[in-house]
Amino acid sequence: GAGVSQTPSNKVTEKGKYVELRCDPISGHTALYWYRQSLGQGPEFLIYFQGTGAADDSGLPNDRFFAVRPEGSVSTLKIQRTERGDSAVYLCASSSTDSGNTIYFGEGSWLTVV
Amino acid sequence: AQTVTQSQPEMSVQEAETVTLSCTYDTSESDYYLFWYKQPPSRQMILVIRQEAYKQQNATENRFSVNFQKAAKSFSLKISDSQLGDAAMYFCAYRLNAGGTSYGKLTFGQGTILTVHP
Repeated sequence: GAGVSQTPSNKVTEKGKYVELRCDPISGHTALYWYRQSLGQGPEFLIYFQGTGAADDSGLPNDRFFAVRPEGSVSTLKIQRTERGDSAVYLCASSSTDSGNTIYFGEGSWLTVV
Repeated sequence: AQTVTQSQPEMSVQEAETVTLSCTYDTSESDYYLFWYKQPPSRQMILVIRQEAYKQQNATENRFSVNFQKAAKSFSLKISDSQLGDAAMYFCAYRLNAGGTSYGKLTFGQGTILTVHP
């Protein structure tokens, strides 16, 4: 696609529920990143994929968070047993060596846990 | 660990004037990239300008330029001839140069809200 696409744009869920956030990167980009941005803060790194594998998941806050990228393109961020503190904008980004290693962002998924 | 600090939570400027946003960072590495991203209310992070640490010349993109002081670990953004559309949150970010691969997680500062007055 022309840009990084994220769905849903907004999601409201109840505490304790399971949510999935989807990211469709720029076509041909092999690297994919997830970031979390709390209100009034800068984005914080969660996880990085190179192809299908998670090359660096050091930013995932705990084992309730998990992400997959089974075919090396679309990625899903999964959050189990959501807590109110998980409320944030979840940003996805992608890059490739052909893009000069510049990282391009989507518009994010705004998650609210009530 | 790398850290990025933006000490100005908010800045304002009159339309057509010039404004400078400050950023400092801490790293023990010598080969890295620095970025300024703009985030309007739409939430999408838009790349404004990029600086490669091994290049001494300051990057320029139209009305946007940087003052990169590697020894001082300072990376400020100057916006000339400010326009109403420049109003947004601006983030400074650091990324290690991973030797030609596409990997490189960004470390962001806290952001500066820029208001442009007509």
